[in-house]
Amino acid sequence: GENVEQHPSTLSVQEGDSAVIKCTYSDSASNYFPWYKQELGKRPQLIIDIRSNVGEKKDQRIAVTLNKTAKHFSLHITETQPEDSAVYFCAASRWLPGSARQLTFGSGTQLTVLP
Amino acid sequence: KAGVTQTPRYLIKTRGQQVTLSCSPISGHRSVSWYQQTPGQGLQFLFEYFSETQRNKGNFPGRFSGRQFSNSRSEMNVSTLELGDSALYLCASSLKGGSQETQYFGPGTRLLVL
Repeated sequence: GENVEQHPSTLSVQEGDSAVIKCTYSDSASNYFPWYKQELGKRPQLIIDIRSNVGEKKDQRIAVTLNKTAKHFSLHITETQPEDSAVYFCAASRWLPGSARQLTFGSGTQLTVLP
Repeated sequence: KAGVTQTPRYLIKTRGQQVTLSCSPISGHRSVSWYQQTPGQGLQFLFEYFSETQRNKGNFPGRFSGRQFSNSRSEMNVSTLELGDSALYLCASSLKGGSQETQYFGPGTRLLVL
């Protein structure tokens, strides 16, 4: 099955600096890559996603890049703010036989933005 | 639209008991997936339901089961609880469960097994 590896597991940055989180996936059939942010005690919330026919997507301070050949994708957060502190999860999604969807998550990155 | 809701939010049970958790998806969403979240194992997929049918199942023992009703609400059941079942159980809904659809998560049910 699909395997998603996420690095680093913890990341501390100074406020205003950029943060980069990287994920690799194993199954070339994966075609959708969402990123979720989970604040302490709250539900995971989608912050950005990218489909396999696109190489890069940006939404204000957040961007995601996808390299299908190398099977890796990355989350970039610029001008970080203390409220960006949270756990970030990447995921990879693909079709299974029988029209089911397999969504596999990375292990998460605890991002801390230091004021 | 109202978001995904889960009840109860917190549960304390003892080993050997069973528990039923409930999830109400976003209106119009027909796919419901369940995940177990623990500090050590991260987010692990339990199963997915669509139109009252289980379409996919993760690598969990048969003590974990679920079902979906005609209104798309879903329940999961854990029988013969073990200490290791203590976790946050999250459900997520999407329109049809397509591979490129966004999943929206509920707030979770935090289960503590003593």
